[in-house]
Amino acid sequence: SQQGEEDPQALSIQEGENATMNCSYKTSINNLQWYRQNSGRGLVHLILIRSNEREKHSGRLRVTLDTSKKSSSLLITASRAADTASYFCATGAGNMLTFGGGTRLMVKP
Amino acid sequence: KAGVTQTPRYLIKTRGQQVTLSCSPISGHRSVSWYQQTPGQGLQFLFEYFSETQRNKGNFPGRFSGRQFSNSRSEMNVSTLELGDSALYLCASSLGQGIIPNYGYTFGSGTRLTVV
Repeated sequence: SQQGEEDPQALSIQEGENATMNCSYKTSINNLQWYRQNSGRGLVHLILIRSNEREKHSGRLRVTLDTSKKSSSLLITASRAADTASYFCATGAGNMLTFGGGTRLMVKP
Repeated sequence: KAGVTQTPRYLIKTRGQQVTLSCSPISGHRSVSWYQQTPGQGLQFLFEYFSETQRNKGNFPGRFSGRQFSNSRSEMNVSTLELGDSALYLCASSLGQGIIPNYGYTFGSGTRLTVV
């Protein structure tokens, strides 16, 4: 079963705008990770935030984690058409990942 | 370095048949995990192998099985295929070590299985 839900399920923005995706989860975690998937292909690891971290940056990506609310957000700044993809959060516990349902992001040129 | 290689990329099988999918992890990675992705259920964990031992198993019927070889390559097998087994099967590679595995996984491009 999935760990939690992602919100929104779909997001459409113009190039240059920021995109924010939210993820909620249910159980204790070691870390939370975000992945991107283009058109039903493999997942690409974007960023990992540990349970004792609150915010992390990587290039145009910013991830926050609130363990008290069991939620995380992914912000993509200055979006590009190439960012069009599905984005998944995944919680890591033990040696497995539990994924959310994903957010489909479309960035219009 | 080479990425995670999954073969074949596409597969069409008939109900009742069995299928074997292959995954070669990144060199030096000893953990291989398998995930099933369907439109209805999303991404679900199948099982994880480390040094030829299954460490974790998801909630799938016994028709789904796997193994890992001494070179870390892994195979998964699905017997008595059902229409609902049609999915994208993804393999993920990682170092697999550490008490708290705070690392990302590298995924292959997947095998798209269609059961007719």
